[in-house]
Amino acid sequence: DTAVSQTPKYLVTQMGNDKSIKCEQNLGHDTMYWYKQDSKKFLKIMFSYNNKELIINETVPNRFSPKSPDKAHLNLHINSLELGDSAVYFCASSRAALGQGISPQHFGDGTRLSIL
Amino acid sequence: EDQVTQSPEALRLQEGESSSLNCSYTVSGLRGLFWYRQDPGKGPEFLFTLYSAGEEKEKERLKATLTKKESFLHITAPKPEDSATYLCAVHLLTNTGNQFYFGTGTSLTVIP
Repeated sequence: DTAVSQTPKYLVTQMGNDKSIKCEQNLGHDTMYWYKQDSKKFLKIMFSYNNKELIINETVPNRFSPKSPDKAHLNLHINSLELGDSAVYFCASSRAALGQGISPQHFGDGTRLSIL
Repeated sequence: EDQVTQSPEALRLQEGESSSLNCSYTVSGLRGLFWYRQDPGKGPEFLFTLYSAGEEKEKERLKATLTKKESFLHITAPKPEDSATYLCAVHLLTNTGNQFYFGTGTSLTVIP
C-alpha cells in the first residue's frame, strides 16, 4: 500500500484555469504538508496542517488554498493558474508537527503541473 | 534557500569509488537534520535523522555524520543503483519559530 498518494500524477492545463490536487496518507500521521519543487529541484514548503488545522502558511499567493477534510487528507486548490505555477507539487506527512517534535516527513510521488 | 547548501551539485563516481556529499547550514538552532534520496519522477525517500553534533547513522553503503555546522553523507563502494539525487533538510528553531528548509541536492551518478 502506498503511504502517501497524490492524484493526479500529471496535470496539463491552460493559464487562467482552476485545478485541484488531492493527497491522502495512510500512515496515521497528524501533520501534512504541501511543497513546490521548481525546475532546479529546490523543494520549498508551502503549507502545513496539523490535525486539520493550518499551522504553516509560507509566502504563497492566495490563489493557492489548502483544504483538509480530515487528518488523512490534504488537498490543494489553485485558482487562476499562471505560467509560473508550473512545477512539481509534493504532498508529505509526518508523525509530529514542527513545533511538537522532530520527525521525518514522508513524501508522495508528486504531481507535475504544466501550464500552457 | 541560502540556509542550507549542498555540495557538490553533481558527482560522478565509478562503481566502488567511495566519496562524500556535504550539507552545510548557516542558521543556528538546529533541532534535526534529515537526509533523503530522490529518484527521477519520485518523491524524496527518507534515509536518516541526525540530532546532535557527533552523531552517526548507517544504512548499507551510506553513513551520515553531523558536526556543528555541517553533515556528510559518506558512500562506501557505491553501486549503480545508488544513483539518485540526495537531499538534506534542516529543522530549525529560530526566533520566528520552527522552520524547515531543504538544500538543493547533490545529483549522484555511479557508473558501472
